Amino acid sequence: DMKVTQMPRYLIKRMGENVLLECGQDMSHETMYWYRQDPGLGLQLIYISYDVDSNSEGDIPKGYRVSRKKREHFSLILDSAKTNQTSVYFCASSLSTNSGNTLYFGEGSRLIVV
Amino acid sequence: GQQVQQSPASLVLQEGENAELQCNFSTSLNSMQWFYQRPGGSLVSLFYNPSGTKHSGRLTSTTVIKERRSSLHISSSQTTDSGTYLCALAGGYKVVFGSGTRLLVSP
Repeated sequence: DMKVTQMPRYLIKRMGENVLLECGQDMSHETMYWYRQDPGLGLQLIYISYDVDSNSEGDIPKGYRVSRKKREHFSLILDSAKTNQTSVYFCASSLSTNSGNTLYFGEGSRLIVV
Repeated sequence: GQQVQQSPASLVLQEGENAELQCNFSTSLNSMQWFYQRPGGSLVSLFYNPSGTKHSGRLTSTTVIKERRSSLHISSSQTTDSGTYLCALAGGYKVVFGSGTRLLVSP
């Protein structure tokens, strides 16, 4: 059905708690991304995954880690969340890292860290 | 410096008016994409357009590589066009987004 699904859509966590954001895609895409979007800063790349267990830091990886054990799933983990990690997180996928491939985005996960 | 710059930052139109959104980039182009983001929502791809002109309904995208710019034209705007329009420049794995143009179309 060509869909990227993110869970949960909304999450409130206390500072210091762990956060798990999950992303799934049903298109057998090789490449998956995690972005965060903040007012005035636009979309910033956190991590990219080229395939299972093949992950690379993006522009702002500090405070985050990722896991990709299956091609269709890509998780973003915040160990000990901080208030400045309050944001909207978007997962995206593309067929490969060939620059001609369209990005497909999930609906976003809104995280508030208090 | 910023690799992808969009203008204007915001735009208010009356329904029926046309809009021209600009994207300028400072690095070599591998691919250019335009996305639409509805308020509080996800991003939807409008165009993949590395060069030339493409049409989709009331939308037209034109990318001129040697001038390092891409534009998105919306004709006969409708209230449902309101939202944020983002351009994205891709080179290899890296996709860099502009900060977007917020469009509000009033009835």
